[in-house]
Amino acid sequence: SYELTQPPSVSVSPGQTARITCSGDALPKQYAYWYQQKPGQAPVLVIYKDSERPSGIPERFSGSSSGTTVTLTISGVQAEDEADYYCQSADSSGTYGVFGGGTKLTVL
Amino acid sequence: QITLKESGPTLVKPTQTLTLTCTFSGFSLSTSGVGVGWIRQPPGKALEWLALIYWDDDKRYSPSLKSRLTITKDTSKNQVVLTMTNMDPVDTATYYCAHTPSDCSGGSCYSDYFDYWGQGTLVTVSS
Repeated sequence: SYELTQPPSVSVSPGQTARITCSGDALPKQYAYWYQQKPGQAPVLVIYKDSERPSGIPERFSGSSSGTTVTLTISGVQAEDEADYYCQSADSSGTYGVFGGGTKLTVL
Repeated sequence: QITLKESGPTLVKPTQTLTLTCTFSGFSLSTSGVGVGWIRQPPGKALEWLALIYWDDDKRYSPSLKSRLTITKDTSKNQVVLTMTNMDPVDTATYYCAHTPSDCSGGSCYSDYFDYWGQGTLVTVSS
């Protein structure tokens, strides 16, 4: 079945820019979504439809898409951004959904 | 505001069938485009997409689990039920239900992301 690939971990210092990638063959055809999950909590949607930001999500969170890769960018990373981040999309025909393996963002 | 809450057994035995109920408020599953999905997360592991049901009873399943899953809705009770047969210890996980919003901007009102999540319920499979 269809898979999305994320790096297991990304580390940045406070104030720097973090970029988390997600790769999948169907991403040129299907939207990608990003979720933030902190320990013991349910995931929170931070980006939808590749680059849209839900209300209440800080402007430092942005998303982009290029070919088979989508990227979540966090500008001016803050300590509170330390969390696991998951991308989500669908197979090429939109029949079912899939999550990436998750990326642990560490703020040094 | 939209809220969702999962309920069901915390412990099931191997080979048993798991039945989880998602009870929600703040939206109706009879509204065009709206859906409710199920996602699980084994301890210390990644999220896994399981199933999604839309307002028009369109149902989507993970291909790897399709033979074991059934998702249904009861619009009058504001509930969505997920059943998973033949449970195994590897199915031990926190199970979440989540709301899929209506998004008609692309011509179709279907969307497939989750903007509101329940708190999750931990299900342990053990004899």
